[in-house]
Amino acid sequence: EVQLLESGGGLVQPGGSLRLSCAASGFTFSTYAMSWVRQAPGKGLEWVSSISGSGGTTYYADSVKGRFTISRDNSKNTLYLQMNSLRAEDTAVYYCAKGQTGSGWLVKWFDPWGQGTLVTVSS
Amino acid sequence: QSVLTQPPSVSGAPGQRVTISCTGSSSNIGAGYDVHWHQQLPGTAPKLLIYGNSNRPSGVPDRFSGSKSGTSASLAITGLQAEDEADYYCQSYDSGLSGVVFGGGTKLTVL
Repeated sequence: EVQLLESGGGLVQPGGSLRLSCAASGFTFSTYAMSWVRQAPGKGLEWVSSISGSGGTTYYADSVKGRFTISRDNSKNTLYLQMNSLRAEDTAVYYCAKGQTGSGWLVKWFDPWGQGTLVTVSS
Repeated sequence: QSVLTQPPSVSGAPGQRVTISCTGSSSNIGAGYDVHWHQQLPGTAPKLLIYGNSNRPSGVPDRFSGSKSGTSASLAITGLQAEDEADYYCQSYDSGLSGVVFGGGTKLTVL
């Protein structure tokens, strides 16, 4: 069974940093693209970032470009999201989601999703 | 404002059929990119419901179906049940943004 378990969320002050982790199991992690998607309280889903299976290709939403960095350690089956210069509008539940393999992976679906970790940016 | 437009809410009585639309543009759905649908039950993480416009993952009832035409896609739910009450999101790719895009979400209420 595929499992994704996020951790690292919490309360951080504006301008601060936080690193999220997503521990994966139940599939060949290095083969699949992975993504982060967030959901602000009471709002819809917003794609944040995606990374290829090898880690060599990354994509970011304009809202986080230059502040967030996605990475992965395939030896540890773990996905990361380093978040710097955090703003109040970054407050959200952050989900990691398993993508697909092969070419054109960015246009494909997310399945499954982790349970999410809450990040609150406030003074 | 979401790149993909969904109605904020839809409703139906048990046993009825409802549809949820997802309207895009020439840089996403209209460009030929697939549409995927996710269901988010209250207080839980999203779950894949339809992938590649019209395909159901294993375990998803055939009451759920998806279609795509031109710059729009639709999710249809037949034989509505109380447990279908959830938020539904469409997902696609936008070439202008070079990234994944979601609809704003539609809240389904079973009357």
